[in-house]
Amino acid sequence: NIVMTQSPKSMSISVGDRVTMNCKASQNVYNNIAWYQQKPGQSPKLLIYYASNRYNGVPDRFTGSGYGTDFTLTINSVQAEDAAFYYCQRIYNSPYTFGAGTKLELK
Amino acid sequence: EVQLVESGGGLVQPGRSLKLSCVASGFTFSNYGMNWIRQAPGKGLEWVAYISSGSSYIYYAETVKGRFTISRDNAKNTLYLQMTSLRSEDTALYYCARSDPAFDYWGQGVMVTVSS
Repeated sequence: NIVMTQSPKSMSISVGDRVTMNCKASQNVYNNIAWYQQKPGQSPKLLIYYASNRYNGVPDRFTGSGYGTDFTLTINSVQAEDAAFYYCQRIYNSPYTFGAGTKLELK
Repeated sequence: EVQLVESGGGLVQPGRSLKLSCVASGFTFSNYGMNWIRQAPGKGLEWVAYISSGSSYIYYAETVKGRFTISRDNAKNTLYLQMTSLRSEDTALYYCARSDPAFDYWGQGVMVTVSS
């Protein structure tokens, strides 16, 4: 079964910094990756689909990239409201495995 | 406005069964695949099951295969998850979510606690 490995597990960033987090698939998933943001007590929200497509209403400081096995979510000029967990997920083909998540904290 | 509302959770003893429901509104339910995803307390997201729009394709995570059954009633705009032989490790917040194919809409979740 496919494994999605996210790194780092957590990061502490200052407002205005640029953040990069990674997601590595154990096999080729082409561009079939989504990224979600989850804040405490809330349901996950879709940010990026098909690796690089920003979902409706997602601020353009969020950018996804990658293909095959290595993917990146970049947040330019992090805002206080971006403090959350971020999950990558394989989509389109089952199993729709999630990564373990990256926790983004603000200093 | 798209809404997904889960229900049916609660406290159940190990080995018993429980059936979750997810009522959809604000979109043509019969046009979309649907999923169940769970999140154990303090843990990450785990995809549980998928059902295609017409119920032709059904997939399960290995951790629930043979114990859980996903189904839907398009006339009632409702998704179901029948859970049997429940274990303590099934304790989690269970979400339903729409596939397009990324999971673009999620419910608020319903808590299932498996404990004696």
